[in-house]
Amino acid sequence: QVQLVESGGGVVQPGGSLRLSCEVSRFMITDYVMHWVRQAPGKGLEWVALISNEGDFENYAVSVKGRFAISRDNTENTLFLDMHSLRLEDTAVYYCAREVWSGWSVNGADVWGHGTVVTVSS
Amino acid sequence: QSVLTQPPSASGSLGHSVTISCTGTRRDVGGYEYVSWYQQHPGQVPRLLIYEVTKRPSGVPDRFSASKSGNTASLTVSGLQAEDEADYYCSSYAGDNNLVFGGGTKLTVL
Repeated sequence: QVQLVESGGGVVQPGGSLRLSCEVSRFMITDYVMHWVRQAPGKGLEWVALISNEGDFENYAVSVKGRFAISRDNTENTLFLDMHSLRLEDTAVYYCAREVWSGWSVNGADVWGHGTVVTVSS
Repeated sequence: QSVLTQPPSASGSLGHSVTISCTGTRRDVGGYEYVSWYQQHPGQVPRLLIYEVTKRPSGVPDRFSASKSGNTASLTVSGLQAEDEADYYCSSYAGDNNLVFGGGTKLTVL
């Protein structure tokens, strides 16, 4: 069964850093565009970042550009999100998600992990 | 990036139909055939209901249908059931390799 399992969330002070991981099972991350999407407490979904299927291109929401970096380890079939200069407003559940179609596609996400909670608090 | 506009709430009676709108601009909803809809029950993970404006993944009941006209996309839930009570989100490709979401609509089944 296709599965995404996030980890790495926790409590961090403003200005701190955190690395999130997303372990992927039953498909290769080299075949799909992968996303990070977040959801602040009681709020809606916000797209954060994507990495291309070939791993040669990333893009970020304006709210995180320059502070967050998406990457992956093809050997471990794992996706990462490095978060720096964290702000109170970065507090959210962070989901990794798989694009609907294999190859290059920015359409929507058909497989989601259960999320990892990031809390930025002093 | 823009946020797509959805009504905060919607409601419909059991067995009836309800339509949720998602309004963007020609730079996102109106410019591409890449609108998706998601259902999220409290405390659960979002579930893809619709992609590419009208397509349903396998396993999604045909009670869920969608369309688009101009800069506005719509999701219709027919034959409302109690388990349809959830939050619904639209998303759209917004050009330049960006994805944007709507603010979400809380659907109440009366």
